[in-house]
Amino acid sequence: DAGVIQSPRHEVTEMGQEVTLRCKPISGHNSLFWYRQTMMRGLELLIYFNNNVPIDDSGMPEDRFSAKMPNASFSTLKIQPSEPRDSAVYFCASSVAGRSETQYFGPGTRLLVL
Amino acid sequence: QQQVKQSPQSLIVQKGGISIINCAYENTAFDYFPWYQQFPGKGPALLIAIRPDVSEKKEGRFTISFNKSAKQFSLHIMDSQPGDSATYFCAASRSSGGYQKVTFGIGTKLQVIP
Repeated sequence: DAGVIQSPRHEVTEMGQEVTLRCKPISGHNSLFWYRQTMMRGLELLIYFNNNVPIDDSGMPEDRFSAKMPNASFSTLKIQPSEPRDSAVYFCASSVAGRSETQYFGPGTRLLVL
Repeated sequence: QQQVKQSPQSLIVQKGGISIINCAYENTAFDYFPWYQQFPGKGPALLIAIRPDVSEKKEGRFTISFNKSAKQFSLHIMDSQPGDSATYFCAASRSSGGYQKVTFGIGTKLQVIP
């Protein structure tokens, strides 16, 4: 049984470039979350989707960040343009409807912006 | 502003000892308190969770103690093993905009030495 799948696992890019992170949630889960993890701030919720619809994007840092979920099995988080302060580990998590307090995390994408 | 305060940030325990991680919260709307375990290079995984109507929950060597009046809860790992070396996150969730929004503590890096 595959868990949450994220790609790429590592990304190194230069400041100003566009970065796209990808996530495939667990089949049958209709809630999806994007988190950012840094040493200073820990795990922060960026955005929450339910049934492919963005419900809570209050954690998205600024307009440079955008997220989409075109179908139940795929989501993207895009940063354009990227900045060094965006360097972090980005996690995608999914959950069953009505059980969003129990989330299953992917392995994360480690992003380094030079 | 940290809604869930976690301490210590790092902890070294001898094999066979007891590891204790403490968390505190302010918002009485929180109604579910999970702990997540994260190994290097992996995403956080749910370890154990408790609801505020229960003062203690035990699963194997892991125990959550919950003090509702003090708004504090803690994770105890009995007979700590080197394989328990990981980062542990306490969390708290509450209903927000129709879903259970989870807020994470900063994390505790546990090292169990032989």
